[in-house]
Amino acid sequence: EAQVTQNPRYLITVTGKKLTVTCSQNMNHEYMSWYRQDPGLGLRQIYYSMNVEVTDKGDVPEGYKVSRKEKRNFPLILESPSPNQTSLYFCASSLSKLAGGYEQFFGPGTRLTVL
Amino acid sequence: AQSVTQLGSHVSVSEGALVLLRCNYSSSVPPYLFWYVQYPNQGLQLLLKYTTGATLVKGINGFEAEFKKSETSFHLTKPSAHMSDAAEYFCAVSDLRGAGSYQLTFGKGTKLSVIP
Repeated sequence: EAQVTQNPRYLITVTGKKLTVTCSQNMNHEYMSWYRQDPGLGLRQIYYSMNVEVTDKGDVPEGYKVSRKEKRNFPLILESPSPNQTSLYFCASSLSKLAGGYEQFFGPGTRLTVL
Repeated sequence: AQSVTQLGSHVSVSEGALVLLRCNYSSSVPPYLFWYVQYPNQGLQLLLKYTTGATLVKGINGFEAEFKKSETSFHLTKPSAHMSDAAEYFCAVSDLRGAGSYQLTFGKGTKLSVIP
């Protein structure tokens, strides 16, 4: 089954404790992206990757890191989480970076709480 | 930068009534337009999209949307609401950013409630 998976689905942590949220897709997609969803703000892009070893900042990158060492994986790293990073996070992938008409496929989400 | 405006953060309709969710975007050129739906505790799922061609686009679950360039709008409609349509709906616009890639910009979402 074609899908985007994220782990963990739920995470409660404390300020300053490094964490990684994993994302994997099995569709051989070039493009992957991370979003955060906050009430009343919709989805905002954190980082995106156009291909292996190619990443760039989205609209709200502060406090986050990403890497793309393999085509299928795109982990999101919070090196020193803070309470304002409490949010619902979605990973998404798309066939191509060059064609805007391709839909993005979304993972199930990771609900992160930083105390 | 592209912006997407969804009118009404909450919309309530009776079961069987028309559903109309409004979306306007800012763009000087026709972008690619999408509607996504998010059911409780789930990720986003594509309802429909407009790329080129026919301006009336049909999607899943009986939804459709019409691209109106003159009004920069892409409103979502369904003739008869069903209880299972209760969800949050997001309008999104994809347009070209620097470095030759496309950015998907989302509206803030409209939560649809269906009253029995």
